Amino acid sequence: DVKVTQSSRYLVKRTGEKVFLECVQDMDHENMFWYRQDPGLGLRLIYFSYDVKMKEKGDIPEGYSVSREKKERFSLILESASTNQTSMYLCASIPSTGSVYEQYFGPGTRLTVT
Amino acid sequence: GQQLNQSPQSMFIQEGEDVSMNCTSSSIFNTWLWYKQEPGEGPVLLIALYKAGELTSNGRLTAQFGITRKDSFLNISASIPSDVGIYFCAGLKAGNQFYFGTGTSLTVIP
Repeated sequence: DVKVTQSSRYLVKRTGEKVFLECVQDMDHENMFWYRQDPGLGLRLIYFSYDVKMKEKGDIPEGYSVSREKKERFSLILESASTNQTSMYLCASIPSTGSVYEQYFGPGTRLTVT
Repeated sequence: GQQLNQSPQSMFIQEGEDVSMNCTSSSIFNTWLWYKQEPGEGPVLLIALYKAGELTSNGRLTAQFGITRKDSFLNISASIPSDVGIYFCAGLKAGNQFYFGTGTSLTVIP
């Protein structure tokens, strides 16, 4: 059974803190994505990675960075958390060949910045 | 970034009724996808469509890839309480970048 896991389901952080969100997939997928989900806005792409140590900016990268040191792990970093980064964060992965349209999502991390 | 217009934003229906929702864009997509997200979970793929005019079913769900390649429709027949959730459309262009709709929240009243 395919699996994308995220390190925390709920997280509460203070303004200015550095925040790490971890995502791990066990499907040997090359491509991994980080989205944020806000009511009425759907899913917006923050960053994606198509290989180890490779990253590309999505639509809303400001205030975020990412790290992909191993194929199975893709981390999202908030260097200095702000209240407008309160959101649901979703990680996803897809393979580079075969069913490249079938994104597998993690359960999400609901982050609150106070 | 690009966003897909999805409607309606929310629906409240009686169990047994049929449901229709749609997604439109000003751009052409190569693939259209429909996802369902249940509370506290990530989205799960329901149906994928690959060519204009294609009509695909998955149980009580039927989706269509619009002929203009700028829209897609999802229908759910004979709704049941477990259909509750948020339904998202997504369009895929070359390069593995997905564009998501704003979601349709479905509530089924028993």
